[in-house]
Amino acid sequence: IAGITQAPTSQILAAGRRMTLRCTQDMRHNAMYWYRQDLGLGLRLIHYSNTAGTTGKGEVPDGYSVSRANTDDFPLTLASAVPSQTSVYFCASSDSGSTDTQYFGPGTRLTVL
Amino acid sequence: GESVGLHLPTLSVQEGDNSIINCAYSNSASDYFIWYKQESGKGPQFIIDIRSNMDKRQGQRVTVLLNKTVKHLSLQIAATQPGDSAVYFCAGTNTDKLIFGTGTRLQVFP
Repeated sequence: IAGITQAPTSQILAAGRRMTLRCTQDMRHNAMYWYRQDLGLGLRLIHYSNTAGTTGKGEVPDGYSVSRANTDDFPLTLASAVPSQTSVYFCASSDSGSTDTQYFGPGTRLTVL
Repeated sequence: GESVGLHLPTLSVQEGDNSIINCAYSNSASDYFIWYKQESGKGPQFIIDIRSNMDKRQGQRVTVLLNKTVKHLSLQIAATQPGDSAVYFCAGTNTDKLIFGTGTRLQVFP
């Protein structure tokens, strides 16, 4: 069982480009989340999905979009990347809602120039 | 807004000693807390959790204490080992979200 996988591991991106970060879980968890982690700021929730077919906005959703077409996949898209989106992005999942234990993927390090 | 935070950014301990990492929270309605360990270049890893109807929970070499009166929780690591070196952060519920603290870096020296 792999748990949560994320791709790519790292990426350098020119400002203005579109980018999709991939996240797949094999635990059949209902809920999935995207966080960004910046030095001194901790983990901040970008978007979440409580179940396939539904999504919601987190603390810092601007400039990002998500979709949840099925249980396993939860891609995060930056439509037009900006340097302030340089961060480490973590995908997580939990069996039920966000107050359940969340399990994290290995992260994607994104640099926007 | 609601917050979950840690007292010290860095904690240095000698191998074999016990470590205590602290966390304070502001929302008295928070009823679930989790401690995570994050090693360099990796994602956060679940260590132990506790619900507000408990004041202590033990795992393997780790204990979490919850003091709801002062809104404080701590993670105790017994016989700290070099492999325990990492950033530790707590998370607490805020209505239907988890709020994460910024973390304490635990450094273990021989």
